[in-house]
Amino acid sequence: QVQLQESGPGLVKPSETLSLTCAVSGDSISGSYWWSWVRQPPGQGLEWIGEIFHSGSTNYNPSLKSRVTISVDKSKNLFSLKLNSVAAADTAVYFCASTSVEMTARGGALDIWGQGTMVTVSS
Amino acid sequence: AIQMTQSPSSLSASVGDRVTITCRASQGIRNDLGWYQQKPGKAPKLLIYAASSLQSGVPSKFSGSGSGTDFTLTISSLQPEDFATYYCLQDFSYPLTFGGGTKVEIK
Repeated sequence: QVQLQESGPGLVKPSETLSLTCAVSGDSISGSYWWSWVRQPPGQGLEWIGEIFHSGSTNYNPSLKSRVTISVDKSKNLFSLKLNSVAAADTAVYFCASTSVEMTARGGALDIWGQGTMVTVSS
Repeated sequence: AIQMTQSPSSLSASVGDRVTITCRASQGIRNDLGWYQQKPGKAPKLLIYAASSLQSGVPSKFSGSGSGTDFTLTISSLQPEDFATYYCLQDFSYPLTFGGGTKVEIK
């Protein structure tokens, strides 16, 4: 069973780059999974940010696409999120999540989640 | 992007009640819809995928139905551990989009 754990700075200054990593355990990052990021501003709903397959294929939310990069580090078995030019509106809990190819074939998505990490954008 | 409209945004119910939450898509999404439960300070948990398939380990009191644009999550007999916020998610097309959430509170 895949397990996910987010890590990264809890405080980022406006206009700087938010960088988070998601460590994967229980399987290889090169396994048959799509690796995703989702965020949730305080007291608000969920927003899908984007996803990556180990081959490097990505899909991004157009609302964030110009500022987002998701990448995979196979040597460390983790994937990463970079969001540049952040503002207060980017303050949120950031979750990493995964969808197995098997789950995709069954018509599902985002079946495994990390616990989430709070990121505050403030000077 | 496909808009997902959930209703109600909140509801109050008693233990033992049957609860129904609906989600409407702005365009047809076949049955590419999931339901998630989120408790405060926790990650969402997948309950239902493909509109009506129960995720492994999820109690059978949860059920889902619908296809096309209209979907329903039903909790057959509400228990204390079911008080939470519920979200739908469409995975028919990119970007994936969530409903606004339904907070289920104790009456």
